[in-house]
Amino acid sequence: SQKIEQNSEALNIQEGKTATLTCNYTNYSPAYLQWYRQDPGRGPVFLLLIRENEKEKRKERLKVTFDTTLKQSLFHITASQPADSATYLCAPRMDSSYKLIFGSGTRLLVRP
Amino acid sequence: DAGVIQSPRHEVTEMGQEVTLRCKPISGHDYLFWYRQTMMRGLELLIYFNNNVPIDDSGMPEDRFSAKMPNASFSTLKIQPSEPRDSAVYFCASRRGQGAKNTEAFFGQGTRLTVV
Repeated sequence: SQKIEQNSEALNIQEGKTATLTCNYTNYSPAYLQWYRQDPGRGPVFLLLIRENEKEKRKERLKVTFDTTLKQSLFHITASQPADSATYLCAPRMDSSYKLIFGSGTRLLVRP
Repeated sequence: DAGVIQSPRHEVTEMGQEVTLRCKPISGHDYLFWYRQTMMRGLELLIYFNNNVPIDDSGMPEDRFSAKMPNASFSTLKIQPSEPRDSAVYFCASRRGQGAKNTEAFFGQGTRLTVV
């Protein structure tokens, strides 16, 4: 069966460091993969989309990579700030339909 | 646009009662998704619609759950009868159609349901 795996343990880092979050998927080759941010008490908010023919995508301090051989996407936040503290969810397109399935998310805590 | 609007924001009900959650998607969006989020199971897709038609309801947990989309600007998720294990935050999301650049989903604020 298809699975989406994100590290369930919270990532705790010092302000100014780079945060790296991992999204692994199995048994499918997604055409694209999305990353969302969720703050407590709020719905997820879209951050970035990367397609299968793109190795890397950047937006300000955010960088996403997509390795279709490893079946993995990495999400980086450089020069992290306490305001980056949130849960980050990945959503690979896991079949030919348009349904949107999320990983369990990784909570990031940036200490001042 | 005001974004995806869900109501109510909070709902507390007794076991066995009927609960109806409401969603108004962003105008012009062709897809509407209903999710349930809990600490244990994360964000689960329950059902999604395309142009008001249910496409995949395989995530609906039981026959107690039903969803409708009578028109492009309104959808409901109903639980009848409700049970304590239905307690969760329910999100509605919408997105544009099948164009390659239009895959971003917009979420509502969610409805926190507590069944006692």
